[in-house]
Amino acid sequence: GENVEQHPSTLSVQEGDSAVIKCTYSDSASNYFPWYKQELGKRPQLIIDIRSNVGEKKDQRIAVTLNKTAKHFSLHITETQPEDSAVYFCAARGPPREYKEEGGSEKLVFGKGTKLTVNP
Amino acid sequence: KAGVTQTPRYLIKTRGQQVTLSCSPISGHRSVSWYQQTPGQGLQFLFEYFSETQRNKGNFPGRFSGRQFSNSRSEMNVSTLELGDSALYLCASSLRPPGLAFNEQFFGPGTRLTVL
Repeated sequence: GENVEQHPSTLSVQEGDSAVIKCTYSDSASNYFPWYKQELGKRPQLIIDIRSNVGEKKDQRIAVTLNKTAKHFSLHITETQPEDSAVYFCAARGPPREYKEEGGSEKLVFGKGTKLTVNP
Repeated sequence: KAGVTQTPRYLIKTRGQQVTLSCSPISGHRSVSWYQQTPGQGLQFLFEYFSETQRNKGNFPGRFSGRQFSNSRSEMNVSTLELGDSALYLCASSLRPPGLAFNEQFFGPGTRLTVL
């Protein structure tokens, strides 16, 4: 099955610096790659996602890049702020063929998370 | 529109007991997935439901089960609790049937289960 590796596990940056989190996946048929932010004691919230037919997507200070050949995708946060401090999870959705009947699966395979600390 | 809700938010049980957790998806959402979150293993997929049918299941023992009702609300049950079942149990709902391209999942706040 799909396996997602995420690095680094912890990341500390100064306010205003950029932060980059990298993930690799194993199944070349995976087609959807969301990123979730989870603040302490709160639910994971989707911050950005990318589809397998797109190489890059940007939303204000956040961008995600996808390299299908190398099977890795990255989250880039520019001009970091203290409120960006949280745990970030990458995920990959396995191919529809994992499910035997028609349709597919919403199963997300997550990386282990990156604890980002932005120091004022 | 109200978000995904889960009840109870916190639960303390002892080994050997069983527990039922509830999830109400966003109104109109018909797909519900369940995940277990622990510090050591991260977020792991338990199962997913659509139209009252289990569509996919993760690698968890048979003590973990679930169901979905006609109003899309879902419950999961863990029988014969073990210490290692202590975790945050998250459910997520999505609008479209499973597997359709780019179907965003919205997470609930989770149920924090502690097994003593």
